[in-house]
Amino acid sequence: ETGVTQTPRHLVMGMTNKKSLKCEQHLGHNAMYWYKQSAKKPLELMFVYNFKEQTENNSVPSRFSPECPNSSHLFLHLHTLQPEDSALYLCASSPRRASGIEEQYFGPGTRLTVT
Amino acid sequence: RKEVEQDPGPFNVPEGATVAFNCTYSNSASQSFFWYRQDCRKEPKLLMSVYSSGNEDGRFTAQLNRASQYISLLIRDSKLSDSATYLCVVKGDYKLSFGAGTTVTVRA
Repeated sequence: ETGVTQTPRHLVMGMTNKKSLKCEQHLGHNAMYWYKQSAKKPLELMFVYNFKEQTENNSVPSRFSPECPNSSHLFLHLHTLQPEDSALYLCASSPRRASGIEEQYFGPGTRLTVT
Repeated sequence: RKEVEQDPGPFNVPEGATVAFNCTYSNSASQSFFWYRQDCRKEPKLLMSVYSSGNEDGRFTAQLNRASQYISLLIRDSKLSDSATYLCVVKGDYKLSFGAGTTVTVRA
């Protein structure tokens, strides 16, 4: 399935590095999301974009910086991360419907390890 | 209290058995409900939406109990391929809240 793609799939970075995660959706959706999934924990919503506008920043540290140049692309810029930031980072997209029922479709994720 | 709570399991069942588990949610104004499936080291995938009247999709049946604020998932005639973590997802006013998941292992 190629509805939502993410690159890279795996990333190892040092605490002083700067890297970016990329997400692209081919579903014609209007909303895109970044989630963090740590072991044995629920998905944590990080950022929400609706029609390219950020509508939610869920108290995420400034070392994570999102960018949404258009409704199909979403980036997560990373800098000076900490080892506890190691996790699976998932991108998702969803349609916006008048019914309010908006299921989300996830990309395969980027497994990030901070050393 | 967590927004969405699930029994983490694991539920270990033999092939062909029926397994059922619940998920409770705290926000009585929640509007939409979903079950997602997540395989090991993979992304969550939508299994089914949960409708007020309950709904069925093949061997999977979902129920919603608004009075007691829980949803349930029942899997009949379990297959080995049903082994996964099942995530309960609840939509409030503006966002989805995820449970930590219930792990199901189907053994031959």
